[in-house]
Parts: sequence; structure tokens; C-alpha cells
Amino acid sequence: TQLLEQSPQFLSIQEGENLTVYCNSSSVFSSLQWYRQEPGEGPVLLVTVVTGGEVKKLKRLTFQFGDARKDSSLHITAAQPGDTGLYLCAGPDNNAGNMLTFGGGTRLMVKP
Amino acid sequence: EPEVTQTPSHQVTQMGQEVILRCVPISNHLYFYWYRQILGQKVEFLVSFYNNEISEKSEIFDDQFSVERPDGSNFTLKIRSTKLEDSAMYFCASSEAWTDHSSYNEQFFGPGTRLTVL
Repeated sequence: TQLLEQSPQFLSIQEGENLTVYCNSSSVFSSLQWYRQEPGEGPVLLVTVVTGGEVKKLKRLTFQFGDARKDSSLHITAAQPGDTGLYLCAGPDNNAGNMLTFGGGTRLMVKP
Repeated sequence: EPEVTQTPSHQVTQMGQEVILRCVPISNHLYFYWYRQILGQKVEFLVSFYNNEISEKSEIFDDQFSVERPDGSNFTLKIRSTKLEDSAMYFCASSEAWTDHSSYNEQFFGPGTRLTVL
């Protein structure tokens, strides 16, 4: 099973600050997906990155897939309290094609 | 917007009892999945289902578990003889297709069923 490590595990910032969270692996992934999860709810898909070096933007969120497709980052500009939540990265396991492997998540708290 | 739905939202059962968790995947999706998340831990894959049969399963998905698509809309997870350690959030997901290097790999998750085994 391929592993995804996310860092930091916890992040507490003030409204208006910028932040970057990371998702790393020693394995190559054909794609990576970013989800956001609220307490007691299911993961909500934010974006899928597929091509090495790809950058995708979703309003104030910028997602990047590493050139070697082993890592990804999520950058949030001018964070707002509504961005608070658990951010998860996930990717298909190369040895079990349709199984998603999840990272442990970054729990973000944005204080007003 | 189409979404995956799950029932019940909460299920409390006694150890040793059987439970059935229900899911309605997104209507034009072909692949269906079950994942679980023990409190404070990672989301873990249990099983995937395509064309009325299991396509992949994890080590967690042993003989205690079974899945079924009893009709054209529902997808169920049955847990027999529940154990305390089965307490978790169970998520159903679905995807349109599964190909390499395709955004069709995207899996959409339901809100989950919180299972508590006493």
C-alpha cells in the first residue's frame, strides 16, 4: 500500500493569513485528490490533479501537483473562518487501482 | 447537484448483532465503494464494487462483511456479528468510471453512517 503523509497535522492561523499544507509520498500517483471534511460529515471533493506540475485554482485555493507526481500542495490565500476544517489528500493505489489511499489530514483552524 | 446519500445517519447496536448500512450512489455512476474512519484515524478503504461484483477489497473486509446491490439504486454494506472495534464512521462513495490519468477517477462521498457497537 502506498502511503501519503500530510503536514502539518494541525494549523491555527488568524483570518487573512496565507498558508500552505503538504501531501507527500515516496510513490508515484496517477492522480491526487483533495477533500475537505467537516466533523461528523463525509469528505467533500475539492479538486483532482492529474498531470505532473499541474496547478489548479479554486477561488482562494491553489493546488499543485509535483513534477514527479509524488507530492502535492494546497495554498490558501487570505484564509477565512469558513476555511476551517480537515483537509485530506488521497490517491489511487497503483497496486489496487480503484482503492483510494488517504493521508492523515491537516486540521486547519482560522480564527476571526 | 447529484449526491451520494446514506441511511441511517447513526446506528447503535449491541455486540454480536448484524447491521446493514445503506447507500444510494449517484445515479449515472458505475463504481461503488465503502470506506470507514475510526475516530481520529485515517479514512480506510474497505471494498469496491463494479458490475455487480467486488472488484477490490482490503484486509479489513473479511468474512464478517458483505456488500450487495439489491436493486437499481441501493448499495448496502452488511456487517455480521459486530464487534466493539467496528465502531466507526462508514462512508459510501461512487465514481463515474475508473481509468488512469482521468478526472473520472473522482470519488464522491456520502455523509456517512456513524456506527456505535456497545
